[in-house]
Amino acid sequence: SQTIHQWPATLVQPVGSPLSLECTVEGTSNPNLYWYRQAAGRGLQLLFYSVGIGQISSEVPQNLSASRPQDRQFILSSKKLLLSDSGFYLCAWSLFTDTQYFGPGTRLTVL
Amino acid sequence: AQSVTQPDIHITVSEGASLELRCNYSYGATPYLFWYVQSPGQGLQLLLKYFSGDTLVQGIKGFEAEFKRSQSSFNLRKPSVHWSDAAEYFCAVGAGGTYKYIFGTGTRLKVLA
Repeated sequence: SQTIHQWPATLVQPVGSPLSLECTVEGTSNPNLYWYRQAAGRGLQLLFYSVGIGQISSEVPQNLSASRPQDRQFILSSKKLLLSDSGFYLCAWSLFTDTQYFGPGTRLTVL
Repeated sequence: AQSVTQPDIHITVSEGASLELRCNYSYGATPYLFWYVQSPGQGLQLLLKYFSGDTLVQGIKGFEAEFKRSQSSFNLRKPSVHWSDAAEYFCAVGAGGTYKYIFGTGTRLKVLA
């Protein structure tokens, strides 16, 4: 069966520091991968999605970037964090345009 | 443009009572529809989905949802709520053939003992 991992689970970072969040999927090949952000009391906002290695689509102009160095690895990065980057970050995978399955999330607090 | 509305931000029910969470969507064609549940600090777990066919969909944990095209609704129901159902519930719509889901803002369910 398929499993999705995210780390770290929680992160506290100062403003202006870099960021790297990692997501990996096991048990499937060539998945579509997604990064979402969930702000307190709000729904999910799609940040990036990827349909293959090196293929990244950005949904929202922002301080973040994403990369997909391997088939089942998806990384969310920032060179300099802003206070507004705080939130709960969720990675998800799907096969083609079928159901999306979510990871456990990373709670990011920028101080 | 696609949109999803969950009119109820918070709902409180007693344990053993029935539950209905509302979801209305806006989409020009037949959408893909989903309900997810999120416990505090956790990721989203898929409860059920509708792509086509029978408009009454059964999911995990005793939940079901009914797609009503005429009302653009996909309401989630459970006949008897358990204390462990306390969580936040998200409705989502996906346009067939695309990668994008649009999520509602969620309904937080509280269950009274």
